Amino acid sequence: DSGVTQTPKHLITATGQRVTLRCSPRSGDLSVYWYQQSLDQGLQFLIQYYNGEERAKGNILERFSAQQFPDLHSELNLSSLELGDSALYFCASSAGTSGGLYTDTQYFGPGTRLTVL
Amino acid sequence: DQQVKQNSPSLSVQEGRISILNCDYTNSMFDYFLWYKKYPAEGPTFLISISSIKDKNEDGRFTVFLNKSAKHLSLHIVPSQPGDSAVYFCAASYMDSNYQLIWGAGTKLIIKP
Repeated sequence: DSGVTQTPKHLITATGQRVTLRCSPRSGDLSVYWYQQSLDQGLQFLIQYYNGEERAKGNILERFSAQQFPDLHSELNLSSLELGDSALYFCASSAGTSGGLYTDTQYFGPGTRLTVL
Repeated sequence: DQQVKQNSPSLSVQEGRISILNCDYTNSMFDYFLWYKKYPAEGPTFLISISSIKDKNEDGRFTVFLNKSAKHLSLHIVPSQPGDSAVYFCAASYMDSNYQLIWGAGTKLIIKP
C-alpha cells in the first residue's frame, strides 16, 4: 500500500459527459501528479501541483483540468468526454521537500479506470 | 517522439536465472533514471534509480546500469523470483524538464517456475 488513495476505482460514462477523479496523497506529501495510461502505453504526464499551486503541465488536453485543495487532496476534471479518453488515470504524490524536486520518488495510487461508451 | 523506449514488450525468464530489462533514450539532457514495477490492478511502485554521475546502482537483487555514451540503461534482477513477474517501466527526467517523468511503454516480465 503506497498510501495514495484514488476514487473511484472504476468509472463508466458516456461521450460528452463530465467526470471528476479524486486523489488523496500520502500523509505529508506536498506534490501531486496526474498521469494517463492508455492501453499498452507508457504513462503520460498530465499535470503536477505543489502545495496548492500548479507546478508543471504535460500533455493535458484543454478539456481536462485539475486542482489541489488546501488539505492537499487533488481532483482531475475531465469534460466533453470522448471515446479516446478511456484509460487508466493514476495519481502520484511525492514529498517535494528535497532540494532537487525532479528526483523525488513518486508514490502511485491504484488508479481509476475510466471507460467512455 | 518517443524519448524513452523499451523495445521488448515481454520477456520470459526461468526462476533463479538473471533477468535483464533494457531501456534506450534519445534525449541527452536526461540525467536521472528510474525503474518502476507494476502489478495488475495496482499503481507503479518505485524500484531503483540512478543519477547520470554514476554508471551502476545496486539494491539487493536489483542493479541498474547506465551507459551514457550509448544512451542505454538496463535493470538486472538476480536471482529472478516468481514475485518479480510484473510490468517494468523505465522513466527519465532532467532538472529543466518541468519535473516531468518521461516513461517507456513497459516490459512484461514473466518468471517461469
